[in-house]
Amino acid sequence: GAVVSQHPSWVICKSGTSVKIECRSLDFQATTMFWYRQFPKQSLMLMATSNEGSKATYEQGVEKDKFLINHASLTLSTLTVTSAHPEDSSFYICSAKAAGEVNEQFFGPGTRLTVL
Amino acid sequence: GQNIDQPTEMTATEGAIVQINCTYQTSGFNGLFWYQQHAGEAPTFLSYNVLDGLEEKGRFSSFLSRSKGYSYLLLKELQMKDSASYLCAGLDSNYQLIWGAGTKLIIKP
Repeated sequence: GAVVSQHPSWVICKSGTSVKIECRSLDFQATTMFWYRQFPKQSLMLMATSNEGSKATYEQGVEKDKFLINHASLTLSTLTVTSAHPEDSSFYICSAKAAGEVNEQFFGPGTRLTVL
Repeated sequence: GQNIDQPTEMTATEGAIVQINCTYQTSGFNGLFWYQQHAGEAPTFLSYNVLDGLEEKGRFSSFLSRSKGYSYLLLKELQMKDSASYLCAGLDSNYQLIWGAGTKLIIKP
C-alpha cells in the first residue's frame, strides 16, 4: 500500500521559534498533499491543500503567513509553523493523494508539536 | 452548510457487535469514508462507500444509503484493540473530505 512518512514525529520548541514538518510519499507520486491539525478530542481540521509546483490553498481562518507550505516535488511537502506560540501546540497530520487517484488519501503518522 | 454527525462515544463488550451511525450533508457527494484512529496516532483507512449497500471486509462492514444521507460502520467480534475513535468523512463535489468529530468506542471485557 501507499506509505506516507512525516518528520519529526514530535517536537518541543520555545515560543517564537519556527518549526518545519516534512511530509513524504515514499512509494508513489503525490500530486496533492493535505495538511490537517487536530486538537485533543476533536476531529481533523483541514488547514490547507497543496498541489505540486503551485501555491497552497488555505482554509478560512488559517494564516498563510504563519503556516508556510511548500510542495516543491511530487514526493515532498513541508509545513513551517513560524513564530510558534503555545496555542499552536497540536497534532499535525499530512495526507497525500496519488496521481490519478481521485478519492483516497493516505495519511502520514502525524507530528506532535508542543510549544512552551 | 456541510455537516457530518456521529455519536460522541459508545461502549460495547468484547466479543459483541457494535454499529456506529453517521449522517452527512455535503455539497455534492463522491463517497463516504470510515477511518480508525487510535489515541496519538494518525487515522487509518477502513472503508469507502460510494454506492448504496453493504461492503464487508472481515470483521468490519460499512453501509451507505445515499437517499437518506446515512452510513454505518459495523464491527463484529469486538476485540480490545478495537478501542479507538472512528471517524466518518464525506467526500464533497470538490473531492474534499468533510470530517465528523469521531466516535470514541470503548470496549469492556
